[in-house]
Formats: sequence, structure tokens, C-alpha cells
Amino acid sequence: RKEVEQDPGPFNVPEGATVAFNCTYSNSASQSFFWYRQDCRKEPKLLMSVYSSGNEDGRFTAQLNRASQYISLLIRDSKLSDSATYLCVARPNYSGTYKYIFGTGTRLKVLA
Amino acid sequence: SQTIHQWPATLVQPVGSPLSLECTVEGTSNPNLYWYRQAAGRGLQLLFYSVGIGQISSEVPQNLSASRPQDRQFILSSKKLLLSDSGFYLCAWSLGYEQFFGPGTRLTVL
Repeated sequence: RKEVEQDPGPFNVPEGATVAFNCTYSNSASQSFFWYRQDCRKEPKLLMSVYSSGNEDGRFTAQLNRASQYISLLIRDSKLSDSATYLCVARPNYSGTYKYIFGTGTRLKVLA
Repeated sequence: SQTIHQWPATLVQPVGSPLSLECTVEGTSNPNLYWYRQAAGRGLQLLFYSVGIGQISSEVPQNLSASRPQDRQFILSSKKLLLSDSGFYLCAWSLGYEQFFGPGTRLTVL
């Protein structure tokens, strides 16, 4: 089982739609979580850190459910420019670990 | 503010040739540094990470090596490239929480 799993998609949604991605993680030692956005042939860019209480940044909302070991990303009022691959990342916090565990990404296509 | 540089941006190399990719970070001290590879249509594969000068941890045994000669410099090398080394090479830095990526080097081995 992969440490971080995501539905690869693609999710094809019309402009203005709300879309949600889930990501599950298997390592209960994971304490920090992030969502990155990666455009085609570009580097991943940090979209949001995910806090235990959940957090919102404009049209984007991230939530963490430790009991069920999943993270979600909600995008409201989708724009064409939101089309990208969204990467879920977990970072274990036990001593001596400096690695980040990446999911393989979920592709989003926002259609006009 | 911090910035991360990688060069070259693109590279085409023949099989069996050597490789040297460089990454430098500005605006921070003692960062953790990382090399990842992303094959076409695939996820990120961690190759090496470093928590200090001269300290390298290898994640995947292969024909690549990494070095950190200075605090903010990270180099990825190979003596002889394989076809399977083609991919998008990304350098990243972190101070222990969020991680930030450089623009990447797209390597094609022919």
C-alpha cells in the first residue's frame, strides 16, 4: 500500500463548479500535510499547508481527518486556471526523518 | 526572501555520458536540501536529501550520486547516464516544515 494515495483523475468539471479531492495516508506518524499544485512541465508549487483545525484560503479549503487518516482539498467556483495536477504530501515528524511523502497527484481539468 | 536556482533548464545527453546538475538556495541558512526525479507522467521520486554540508542520504541505489560542498549548494552527478535517467529533476529546500522547489532540469538521455 502506498503511504499517500490519491485518485489520479482526471476530474473534468465546468467552470464555476465545486470540486473536492481526497487523499489518504497510511503512516500515523505523519503530522504535517500539504497540498501542492503542479502545472504541466513545471515544478510543484505549495498551495496550502493543512492544519488540524482546517484552513481556508480564498476559494480553497483544506481539511484534515486524523481519525480516518485523510486530507481533503475543496475548490469552489473553479476557474480555467485551476486546471493542474494537485499533489498531496505528508511529512512524518518522528526523530531523524526529513522526508516528504508525495502522492502521485490528481489531475483537474476545468472546462469552459 | 528565499529563492532556489537550478541549471541547466534543459539538457540532452547521450547514453554513457557524465552528468552534473547544480542547485543553489539564496536567502536562508542550513536548509535541508533534496533531489527528486519525475519521470514522464509519473510521481515524484526522492533521490537524495541532505541536512548539512557533506551529509547525504540516498533513497534509491542507482548510478546517481549527490554532493553538498557548501551550505546552500547541492549537486547531482552521474559518471555514466542510462536511458532510464531521463526525466524532470527537481531540487527542493526546507527548514523543517514547508518545502519549496526549484524550476527543475529536464533531462533527455538519447
